[in-house]
Amino acid sequence: ETGVTQSPTHLIKTRGQQVTLRCSSQSGHNTVSWYQQALGQGPQFIFQYYREEENGRGNFPPRFSGLQFPNYSSELNVNALELDDSALYLCASSLYSSGNTDTQYFGPGTRLTVL
Amino acid sequence: KQEVTQIPAALSVPEGENLVLNCSFTDSAIYNLQWFRQDPGKGLTSLLLIQSSQREQTSGRLNASLDKSSGRSTLYIAASQPGDSATYLCAVSKGSYIPTFGRGTSLIVHP
Repeated sequence: ETGVTQSPTHLIKTRGQQVTLRCSSQSGHNTVSWYQQALGQGPQFIFQYYREEENGRGNFPPRFSGLQFPNYSSELNVNALELDDSALYLCASSLYSSGNTDTQYFGPGTRLTVL
Repeated sequence: KQEVTQIPAALSVPEGENLVLNCSFTDSAIYNLQWFRQDPGKGLTSLLLIQSSQREQTSGRLNASLDKSSGRSTLYIAASQPGDSATYLCAVSKGSYIPTFGRGTSLIVHP
């Protein structure tokens, strides 16, 4: 059983650029969530995808968008990067069935630095 | 809006001590509460998950309790070791497993 993987591990961008972060879910999982964790803070929920549809969104602007693919891998896209977008971006996968969601399994994260 | 507070923010103890980390939340209508461990710059590792109908969970040297009515949870670490050094995060969810996290307690256990 493979765990959750994320790529790249580190990324440096400049203000105004666009970035795509990738996540590969744990085998058998059908739900993926993305979180932003600023230094010294707890993770903040960005959004969740279930069966390729957005299934919940936190307090993030529309320039944060996502995709979930048929193989349950996922992308997080951020447009018009701002300095405050510098953070660790975490992906987590889980299995949702019969109205219940199992615990989430987190990937190692992508460290994004915006200069 | 759910708010999660963790006390203390940081803790430094000698090896062998028994520890208590505290988590409080403002909205008691939760689905579950989970404790995570995070090593520096890394992802989160789930330690214990307590459903709203449960009062505690145990795993090895870890024990987590939940008092939903008072909005509190504690994580008890017995006989701490240097390898326990990490940040411990508490998260509560209200359905659909969309958790709200606290800021964490940064723990250092020195030999």
